[in-house]
Amino acid sequence: GDSVTQMEGPVTLSEEAFLTINCTYTATGYPSLFWYVQYPGEGLQLLLKATKADDKGSNKGFEATYRKETTSFHLEKGSVQVSDSAVYFCALSDLAGSEKLVFGKGTKLTVNP
Amino acid sequence: NAGVMQNPRHLVRRRGQEARLRCSPMKGHSHVYWYRQLPEEGLKFMVYLQKENIIDESGMPKERFSAEFPKEGPSILRIQQVVRGDSAAYFCASSSGTHSNQPQHFGDGTRLSIL
Repeated sequence: GDSVTQMEGPVTLSEEAFLTINCTYTATGYPSLFWYVQYPGEGLQLLLKATKADDKGSNKGFEATYRKETTSFHLEKGSVQVSDSAVYFCALSDLAGSEKLVFGKGTKLTVNP
Repeated sequence: NAGVMQNPRHLVRRRGQEARLRCSPMKGHSHVYWYRQLPEEGLKFMVYLQKENIIDESGMPKERFSAEFPKEGPSILRIQQVVRGDSAAYFCASSSGTHSNQPQHFGDGTRLSIL
């Protein structure tokens, strides 16, 4: 079945550091790919998405590019802030089915001042 | 425009009791998804419903769990005879359709604790 693997956390960075969170996927079809962010005690918020190969999703300084050849969707940000501290989830959605989301285990990011 | 509303935010039950979790989708959304998040884990799909219909329940445990989304009122996730292993955060998400340009919007979840 479809699956998502993302880098183990936790990740601790200093403010203004560069962030990369790796995500790879396995899918039988051509899924849409997403990054969601979860702040403590809250639900998930959509951060960005890409629906086809070579698409780049971007939002709030975060970017991720849908790489079909490497089945990857790595999240990057050039300069993180303390307010970016949260848990980040990579996910895919199978367009052929019910479009349920398949999530990675999440990566906890802590940004120190 | 209110988002996805879940209640209660926290629910405590003793083993053997029933738990009822409610989800009101965003206005205009007719598709509801339920997910479960175990500690230190990602979210796992449970069930997908449209008004009055269960479309995909491939992630639902075969026993004790049921879900509904009636014509009027919120979607309900019901867990009968709860056990310790049911302790988790349960999230509801809604969308306006099954196309990838209409993403799922999540509620803040119900944290279920079983004593």
